[in-house]
Amino acid sequence: AQSVSQHNHHVILSEAASLELGCNYSYGGTVNLFWYVQYPGQHLQLLLKYFSGDPLVRGIKGFEAEFIKSKFSFNLRKPSVHWSDAAEYFCAVGFNDMRFGAGTRLTVKP
Amino acid sequence: NAGVTQTPKFQVLKTGQSMTLQCAQDMNHEYMSWYRQDPGMGLRLIHYSVGAGITDQGEVPNGYNVSRSTTEDFPLRLLSAAPSQTSVYFCASRSRRGTDTQYFGPGTRLTVL
Repeated sequence: AQSVSQHNHHVILSEAASLELGCNYSYGGTVNLFWYVQYPGQHLQLLLKYFSGDPLVRGIKGFEAEFIKSKFSFNLRKPSVHWSDAAEYFCAVGFNDMRFGAGTRLTVKP
Repeated sequence: NAGVTQTPKFQVLKTGQSMTLQCAQDMNHEYMSWYRQDPGMGLRLIHYSVGAGITDQGEVPNGYNVSRSTTEDFPLRLLSAAPSQTSVYFCASRSRRGTDTQYFGPGTRLTVL
């Protein structure tokens, strides 16, 4: 089965700073890639997904991710973070048998 | 639509007890799945189902049973609870098309003493 790793366990940014969260997956064939967000006390919500086509994917709330096949990466970006972006972010890969990364907790300082 | 619902929200069990976590969806989704979430480990897939009568194991199936007799319901059974099963459990569903969004339920926080 595919696997995914997130190297940053906790990221602390000041408001308005740019965000980039790393995600690498293990399998080089056809991949379905996702980023989910979990706000404190809430369940997971889909931010964006990639299946094929344009490797730059735009999702909700100003987030985007770039699929780089040669690097097995699918990093999440946002040009300017807001305090409301404080949450845990999960990268995931797969179709029916989905695998999630360990998550990255984002703290936003005022 | 209620979306994906889970009951109970909280549960405390003693080691060796059995229980069933309930999951239901009203979106006529073919695919349903169960995950457990533990600190520092993200979500791990326990079991999934691609339709009524069809189930398959995920990453961490041991200690859990599932069945899918209807499209709407996908219960998760713990036959003999162990402290290692203390976790938050999430149910999710989506249509058969993998490109569609997967919706998660609110979760069940289970503690096994």
